[in-house]
Amino acid sequence: DAGITQSPRHKVTETGTPVTLRCHQTENHRYMYWYRQDPGHGLRLIHYSYGVKDTDKGEVSDGYSVSRSKTEDFLLTLESATSSQTSVYFCAGAINQGNEQYFGPGTRLTVT
Amino acid sequence: AQSVTQPDIHITVSEGASLELRCNYSYGATPYLFWYVQSPGQGLQLLLKYFSGDTLVQGIKGFEAEFKRSQSSFNLRKPSVHWSDAAEYFCAVGAGFGNEKLTFGTGTRLTIIP
Repeated sequence: DAGITQSPRHKVTETGTPVTLRCHQTENHRYMYWYRQDPGHGLRLIHYSYGVKDTDKGEVSDGYSVSRSKTEDFLLTLESATSSQTSVYFCAGAINQGNEQYFGPGTRLTVT
Repeated sequence: AQSVTQPDIHITVSEGASLELRCNYSYGATPYLFWYVQSPGQGLQLLLKYFSGDTLVQGIKGFEAEFKRSQSSFNLRKPSVHWSDAAEYFCAVGAGFGNEKLTFGTGTRLTIIP
């Protein structure tokens, strides 16, 4: 969906360093989500937001934090990256709760 | 809590053949159901959705899916596949309005042979 962009698209970082991934949307999605995708696991929800400054944990939130200071931007931070956080990260947005989600192109993160 | 099972990890079909991808869900009430497709290196694209009403829903790219409450299933079908349909397909279930989260299946990878 052209309305959701992610940056960077690829990142390699070292264990123990902080990393921030950015999701930007222009579709006025109220709800935004961060997922990680790993082989054999499908998509797993890390954190989500239901409005500016309103966030909640998903099923795999340990080691991650998020912030949403304005509607358009949803940041995912790995405070101290570990090799287990090597993954592809997807951001998604939804206009209303329960509605279909629209996905960004993903960020491939490698932690060495 | 809802859950989704996609029993087929990988399916191979010939170009022009029909396709059915299976999805079973677990949820106590009428769920919201979705199928997404992911091409290599891309994000997920919505193929179709079911919220209520007609249990046979039409989507993009010639796909359709049928909601069967008695079988807790929402299988995806296409009468004749094209080489460009090779991708990974994800079924997802939501608990409906009032629940913000979707639960995704682990995906089915579709390979098309000439």
